[in-house]
Amino acid sequence: GNSVTQMEGPVTLSEEAFLTINCTYTATGYPSLFWYVQYPGEGLQLLLKATKADDKGSNKGFEATYRKETTSFHLEKGSVQVSDSAVYFCALSDIVTGANNLFFGTGTRLTVIP
Amino acid sequence: ETGVTQTPRHLVMGMTNKKSLKCEQHLGHNAMYWYKQSAKKPLELMFVYSLEERVENNSVPSRFSPECPNSSHLFLHLHTLQPEDSALYLCASSPSTSGRADEQFFGPGTRLTVL
Repeated sequence: GNSVTQMEGPVTLSEEAFLTINCTYTATGYPSLFWYVQYPGEGLQLLLKATKADDKGSNKGFEATYRKETTSFHLEKGSVQVSDSAVYFCALSDIVTGANNLFFGTGTRLTVIP
Repeated sequence: ETGVTQTPRHLVMGMTNKKSLKCEQHLGHNAMYWYKQSAKKPLELMFVYSLEERVENNSVPSRFSPECPNSSHLFLHLHTLQPEDSALYLCASSPSTSGRADEQFFGPGTRLTVL
């Protein structure tokens, strides 16, 4: 079946530190991979995505590379800011199920301190 | 209004009450979704609608009853809920249900507390 495993938080970093949030997946077909972010009091919003192996998604300084050989899609940012404090969700979308269903990880809470 | 809106933002109800959650999308999308977000658990997909027709129901208890009168509106009718149903209920929409790479757009959620 389809599932996503991401590192448990919470993660606390100082401003300008390097961020990595690990994400691995299991899928029956050829999924697309996503990172969503949820800021306090808001719904989820797409941060970046990759639709095939070796694709790199990037946005707002965040990057993630679709690694089929390791079934991973780790999120990285070279220098985090206080405004990056949020919950980050890794997800996959697999059309084999017959619909555009998103399978989410449990989320990783990031807190960036000045 | 833009994007996906949900009302109410907060709801407290007793186990014998009947209430409804409302979702509206202003994006011209054809697919709408209900998710349940509980602490320390992955988001759980509850229902999927495509062009007002339900295409997926992930073994959700019958005390949750969805309704999609048109492609812009989605409701979740609640009755005789249990305390373990307390969670954040998120609505989302996407252009279709067949686009593997389609982004889903989420509303801010309704925080439900069942006493």
